[in-house]
Amino acid sequence: KAGVTQTPRYLIKTRGQQVTLSCSPISGHRSVSWYQQTPGQGLQFLFEYFSETQRNKGNFPGRFSGRQFSNSRSEMNVSTLELGDSALYLCASSQTGDMGGYTFGSGTRLTVV
Amino acid sequence: AQSVTQPDIHITVSEGASLELRCNYSYGATPYLFWYVQSPGQGLQLLLKYFSGDTLVQGIKGFEAEFKRSQSSFNLRKPSVHWSDAAEYFCAVGASGSNDYKLSFGAGTTVTVRA
Repeated sequence: KAGVTQTPRYLIKTRGQQVTLSCSPISGHRSVSWYQQTPGQGLQFLFEYFSETQRNKGNFPGRFSGRQFSNSRSEMNVSTLELGDSALYLCASSQTGDMGGYTFGSGTRLTVV
Repeated sequence: AQSVTQPDIHITVSEGASLELRCNYSYGATPYLFWYVQSPGQGLQLLLKYFSGDTLVQGIKGFEAEFKRSQSSFNLRKPSVHWSDAAEYFCAVGASGSNDYKLSFGAGTTVTVRA
């Protein structure tokens, strides 16, 4: 079956702009999580959605937001981009939020200039 | 809150030699523990996981890990390393019995395999 699909793979944005990243989970998976990966901070949890509801949110400013649609696809949005937002953003999906069942996508590499 | 420490930032190992990556966790109850591998520019692939039961866990690609509660450790091992094992390895912990649905990752260990 198809894996977790993240689009776009690469993105270059200017400071102050906003960006939307997309994640299509594995068919049948209803839980989607987002993580930010940077050389300095490592992998950090952003948020988790299940059946269109955010169940948990990490320690990120309000500029970071997300949502999940009825088909389980998820988007995350970052407004007023800062240089420090440059990172690999990873999405993971699971049937129910069972952590052992998380499958990660290849990520979206965001560069803010 | 749970946390993970991977003491080794970088390990170099010869092809065919054994490999052991260290992981120490902090969590009040029995944690869910994971090892992931990441190749350059790629996402994370799950190698193995521990929830309960047998403390020696077998994973994919010939990897295994042992949960030691007394030492709060979950070290990853492979008896004979192949050049394709060169990658970054992450240990992660999840909170069992909670509803926070998140993983806390260690900083990662980069493995270099020399011929």
